[in-house]
Amino acid sequence: EAGVTQFPSHSVIEKGQTVTLRCDPISGHDNLYWYRRVMGKEIKFLLHFVKESKQDESGMPNNRFLAERTGGTYSTLKVQPAELEDSGVYFCASSQVRRDRTYYEQYFGPGTRLTVT
Amino acid sequence: RKEVEQDPGPFNVPEGATVAFNCTYSNSASQSFFWYRQDCRKEPKLLMSVYSSGNEDGRFTAQLNRASQYISLLIRDSKLSDSATYLCVVNDRGSTLGRLYFGRGTQLTVWP
Repeated sequence: EAGVTQFPSHSVIEKGQTVTLRCDPISGHDNLYWYRRVMGKEIKFLLHFVKESKQDESGMPNNRFLAERTGGTYSTLKVQPAELEDSGVYFCASSQVRRDRTYYEQYFGPGTRLTVT
Repeated sequence: RKEVEQDPGPFNVPEGATVAFNCTYSNSASQSFFWYRQDCRKEPKLLMSVYSSGNEDGRFTAQLNRASQYISLLIRDSKLSDSATYLCVVNDRGSTLGRLYFGRGTQLTVWP
């Protein structure tokens, strides 16, 4: 079974440009999450999709960030316009829901390393 | 105040040593607790969940003290392959459905 995949693995852009990150969750996983790690800080939650709906977007830093998950499959995270403080590693994770609602691991993708210069 | 606090280390131990990591969390409503492992420039991977009664998986033992809001991880008989960053993670819901809160991680290096 393929894991969570992310594209691109690295992106270097200039301040003011736009970048779109993509995440493909594990097939059949309804839950999809975006996290970010800024250098020297802990990994922080950005938002959570259940299928195509945003369940929790309280971690999104500002309106320069837009996440979508059309059709409930892959997701994109667009940063427009990018600022220097947006540099970091963006992780995507997915998980499935058991009928009995018990714990189900969040599987992480390899991340996209974004550098804004 | 950070949701999850960890000693960043680094911990440098010889093979065969026993090493312990500690973590505290600020939200008393937190319900699920985990240790993740992250290798350099890789994604976090679940090492083990932490249950109230404490649990063991081979050389790894995790403990939870809800009253003190404290989580620990003990690694016995350290191997070179244990070198990584260990992340303390909590979730404020009873499953993994919600957001995870990460500590900054504790770096471990096991030397031969």
